[in-house]
Amino acid sequence: GIQVEQSPPDLILQEGANSTLRCNFSDSVNNLQWFHQNPWGQLINLFYIPSGTKQNGRLSATTVATERYSLLYISSSQTTDSGVYFCAVTRDTGRRALTFGSGTRLQVQP
Amino acid sequence: GAGVSQSPSNKVTEKGKDVELRCDPISGHTALYWYRQSLGQGLEFLIYFQGNSAPDKSGLPSDRFSAERTGGSVSTLTIQRTQQEDSAVYLCASSLAGGVPNEQFFGPGTRLTVL
Repeated sequence: GIQVEQSPPDLILQEGANSTLRCNFSDSVNNLQWFHQNPWGQLINLFYIPSGTKQNGRLSATTVATERYSLLYISSSQTTDSGVYFCAVTRDTGRRALTFGSGTRLQVQP
Repeated sequence: GAGVSQSPSNKVTEKGKDVELRCDPISGHTALYWYRQSLGQGLEFLIYFQGNSAPDKSGLPSDRFSAERTGGSVSTLTIQRTQQEDSAVYLCASSLAGGVPNEQFFGPGTRLTVL
């Protein structure tokens, strides 16, 4: 099956700092989503971005499908950004279920 | 509008008992997915329903796991003769359609603890 690798696995930031999270995948995809899992375990949709660039407030994401990677940018981080960020994809062919990366655990310190 | 809902939010059971977990997808979403999240395995796919098509059961870990979807809406995941390794958070997701790629939205999950 498709492999999804996220880096870094852990990240500690001071409030106000910027960061970039990376997601590499091993095959062509037709769906890529970024999620934030909050401390209560809820998966919050951040971006649906199989290709191109999107921005939502302090967050933005870019997927370069031809090079099989996606980046999530967090600017001016806040303590509420803490949690685990997951990248998930579905392949161009095969089942529609998402394959998740192992996540990046972000801790923003005041 | 209302998101994906799941019940119960927490379930504690004894080894060997059967459990049923419920998922109510977003209204109008024809595709429904079950995943589970455990410490050792991360987030993994279990089963997928799309309309009236036969479900994709390729992610079910054993024949103790089964799921049904009644009337194209609510789904129930059943685990028979629960084992301690079944302890995990079970997540349900839905999307507008499964035949084409669409954004999936997740419910809050059911935390299952098998003693």
